[in-house]
Amino acid sequence: DSGVTQTPKHLITATGQRVTLRCSPRSGDLSVYWYQQSLDQGLQFLIQYYNGEERAKGNILERFSAQQFPDLHSELNLSSLELGDSALYFCASSSGSAVEALHFGNGTRLTVT
Amino acid sequence: ILNVEQSPQSLHVQEGDSTNFTCSFPSSNFYALHWYRWETAKSPEALFVMTLNGDEKKKGRISATLNTKEGYSYLYIKGSQPEDSATYLCAFGGSNSGYALNFGKGTSLLVTP
Repeated sequence: DSGVTQTPKHLITATGQRVTLRCSPRSGDLSVYWYQQSLDQGLQFLIQYYNGEERAKGNILERFSAQQFPDLHSELNLSSLELGDSALYFCASSSGSAVEALHFGNGTRLTVT
Repeated sequence: ILNVEQSPQSLHVQEGDSTNFTCSFPSSNFYALHWYRWETAKSPEALFVMTLNGDEKKKGRISATLNTKEGYSYLYIKGSQPEDSATYLCAFGGSNSGYALNFGKGTSLLVTP
């Protein structure tokens, strides 16, 4: 058990809808990362937060947004969903340093129909 | 987006064989190189975090080396066992990307008895 909790485990929704994915980091970790894994793609970095502030941004679409709250949990909001947004979304946490290993949650499987 | 390349894409070996994979990454602005093991239906788990040129790390039958000047890392598995079957991911952390980790697509290893 990595200590990182992601909810929900599975989400099925229709095109055009909006969903929110939630992540609680491992106790003591200040940084949260969001990754997307689509079919035949590796883990695509979306965004990183550190202690409530955005620290790094990757290949995140404008329809997607995220935030980290004072209790350090994070939410990833996906709007105007398209079929191509169907993917496994991982949250990971760490102390915030790139020399510390990431601890991954079990992921949220999003299916857009 | 920082290019992290892994080869081969997949590998099928017999139990007892030793094997190795390659991870190539940008040689400039290097900060850290991570290796993760990702078993089917689970989340990625950290194997090694490497920061210094020439670094060598070992965990049981698995070891890794790092060459930051030429931008590559090797992962070695000695005497492969069926339980080593997994996807092995490397991730590059650069000092000019907010220290966020960018993952390669992974090498999928299958070890058959």
